[in-house]
Amino acid sequence: AQSVTQPDIHITVSEGASLELRCNYSYGATPYLFWYVQSPGQGLQLLLKYFSGDTLVQGIKGFEAEFKRSQSSFNLRKPSVHWSDAAEYFCAVGSGANNLFFGTGTRLTVIP
Amino acid sequence: NAGVTQTPKFQVLKTGQSMTLQCAQDMNHEYMSWYRQDPGMGLRLIHYSVGAGITDQGEVPNGYNVSRSTTEDFPLRLLSAAPSQTSVYFCASSTGSLYDTQYFGPGTRLTVL
Repeated sequence: AQSVTQPDIHITVSEGASLELRCNYSYGATPYLFWYVQSPGQGLQLLLKYFSGDTLVQGIKGFEAEFKRSQSSFNLRKPSVHWSDAAEYFCAVGSGANNLFFGTGTRLTVIP
Repeated sequence: NAGVTQTPKFQVLKTGQSMTLQCAQDMNHEYMSWYRQDPGMGLRLIHYSVGAGITDQGEVPNGYNVSRSTTEDFPLRLLSAAPSQTSVYFCASSTGSLYDTQYFGPGTRLTVL
């Protein structure tokens, strides 16, 4: 069965600093991988997704993620964080069947 | 476009009561789904629909019913609420499947006493 691990519950970064949020998954074949962001009191918004092809994926709001099969990882990165990036970030994995497994989320705090 | 709308935003129920969470979308999306979000856990899929008249179970369907009589609406029914159903519920829609870009509603916070 698929599973997703986000090892960092909470991360604090300074505005302008770089960011990397970790995501590890467990799945035998090539998974469908997603990153979603949830601002306080809001629903989730898709940042980016990976199905196949180029392992470096560009998303909205200046985010990117890299699929590393050997490490079963799909880490999210941003070179320079803005205060508006403070939110909760969820990694998700799907197998092609009708289900999507979400990680427990990483809460990002941005210090001015 | 309003996108995905959910009503109510907040609801408190007593154990055993029934209620319906409403979800509507105006994007003509075929796929709609319901998730629950609990503290310290990721979202879990309750039910989904690939089009009007077609619904199926997700990961945690017990205690919930759905129907899809129109493309726009996808209500979630709790027939006999239990404290374990205290959660935040999100509705989402997409063009074809949950692997397409899903658009989420703002959520309904439900408390069952």
